[in-house]
Amino acid sequence: GEDVEQSLFLSVREGDSSVINCTYTDSSSTYLYWYKQEPGAGLQLLTYIFSNMDMKQDQRLTVLLNKKDKHLSLRIADTQTGDSAIYFCAEKVGRNTGKLIFGQGTTLQVKP
Amino acid sequence: ETGVTQSPTHLIKTRGQQVTLRCSSQSGHNTVSWYQQALGQGPQFIFQYYREEENGRGNFPPRFSGLQFPNYSSELNVNALELDDSALYLCASSLAVRGGTGELFFGEGSRLTVL
Repeated sequence: GEDVEQSLFLSVREGDSSVINCTYTDSSSTYLYWYKQEPGAGLQLLTYIFSNMDMKQDQRLTVLLNKKDKHLSLRIADTQTGDSAIYFCAEKVGRNTGKLIFGQGTTLQVKP
Repeated sequence: ETGVTQSPTHLIKTRGQQVTLRCSSQSGHNTVSWYQQALGQGPQFIFQYYREEENGRGNFPPRFSGLQFPNYSSELNVNALELDDSALYLCASSLAVRGGTGELFFGEGSRLTVL
């Protein structure tokens, strides 16, 4: 089946690292994505990783993929108050559709 | 480069009515997808349009229908509205090319309230 699971809430202090975890079930996923959603807004693409990679770094963001365990994580270094938002993990299902399966989102709270 | 724009941003309807939501794709994109995001949930895939034809559909009833126009803009139509249709409706555009990453770029959404 197609299912993506995330923990619901994470609280960190400003300047610490944040790690948001995600598990997925579809082994045929080609790409996995991280999106950010601020209150009342749409989804902003943060980064993505191809399924044959195990790590991708993009400035303060590091994505780790363990394909064997179907586990994806997003690490945000030096977390800032502006990083407070809901973070969604999503997997792309099939090569020729725009169908993404999203998790329920992790609310990141950054305390000053 | 123009991003994805959606209209209206907010609307209120009553049960049984019909609604049309509109989306303009990001410049250069040829594919549009629609998602429903209920409060506190992740987005759920409704369907995707490519070259004006439906190209993939999620688990939504036929009263959810759509159109894509030659300029790649799109409409989502929902008939016989139910209370559970209250949600944020997100449009996303992408460029479908062989070997491409196909990442989706989302609009800000249309928030529908059904009373």
